[in-house]
Amino acid sequence: DTGVSQDPRHKITKRGQNVTFRCDPISEHNRLYWYRQTLGQGPEFLTYFQNEAQLEKSRLLSDRFSAERPKGSFSTLEIQRTEQGDSAMYLCASSLASHLDQPQHFGDGTRLSIL
Amino acid sequence: GQQLNQSPQSMFIQEGEDVSMNCTSSSIFNTWLWYKQDPGEGPVLLIALYKAGELTSNGRLTAQFGITRKDSFLNISASIPSDVGIYFCAGQIWSGTYKYIFGTGTRLKVLA
Repeated sequence: DTGVSQDPRHKITKRGQNVTFRCDPISEHNRLYWYRQTLGQGPEFLTYFQNEAQLEKSRLLSDRFSAERPKGSFSTLEIQRTEQGDSAMYLCASSLASHLDQPQHFGDGTRLSIL
Repeated sequence: GQQLNQSPQSMFIQEGEDVSMNCTSSSIFNTWLWYKQDPGEGPVLLIALYKAGELTSNGRLTAQFGITRKDSFLNISASIPSDVGIYFCAGQIWSGTYKYIFGTGTRLKVLA
C-alpha cells in the first residue's frame, strides 16, 4: 500500500538557510495539500494544488515560501532564508477529486528544526 | 490560522470506558473528517461524514455530522490502551476551492 510519502522526515538547519521538502502523493490522487503543524495545534492549511495548478495559498505562506507541482504528481515546498518561527512539522496530504469529495490522506510529515 | 473549537482539550480515562469528544464552529461545513495522530506521524483518517445528520461507525468509533452542519462528535466505546493519541476534527469549506480547517485536537490518555 503506497500512501503519501514525504522526504526528508527530519531536517535541522541553521537560520538563514534554504530548505526544500518533497511530497509524493497517492498515485491516482489529483489534489495535493501542504499544511504546517506546530506543537499542540492542529494542522494549518498552507496551499493546495489540483493537478499542476496551485489554486489557493494561505496568508500564512509568506514570500519566503514557494510550492510547486510541475507535472501534477510530486510536489516540493521550499522555504528561503529560514527563521526560528519556521520550526514546525510540514505535512502533505492528497485526495482524489470526484463527484463525491474524497477525504485527504496524510504523509508522516517533515519535521523542521531551525537552530 | 483559523482552527475549529474542539473539546475537551485532553482527557484521562480508564481502559474500558467510553469517550466522547466534539467539534464546533460558527461556520457551516460540507464535510467533517476525524483523524488520529500518534507522536511523530501524520494524521490517520478514522471517519468521513458527508451529510447533515449522518451517523457513521468504524469499529468501536462512531461519529455524527450535526444537523446544523456546524458541529460533529466522535465517540469511542470500550477504550483500549492503543486508543491513546491526539484526535483531530476537520471541516471542509468551499471558498472557491476545497479547503479543510482543523480543530485544536483532543489528547486522549488511557490508563490500563
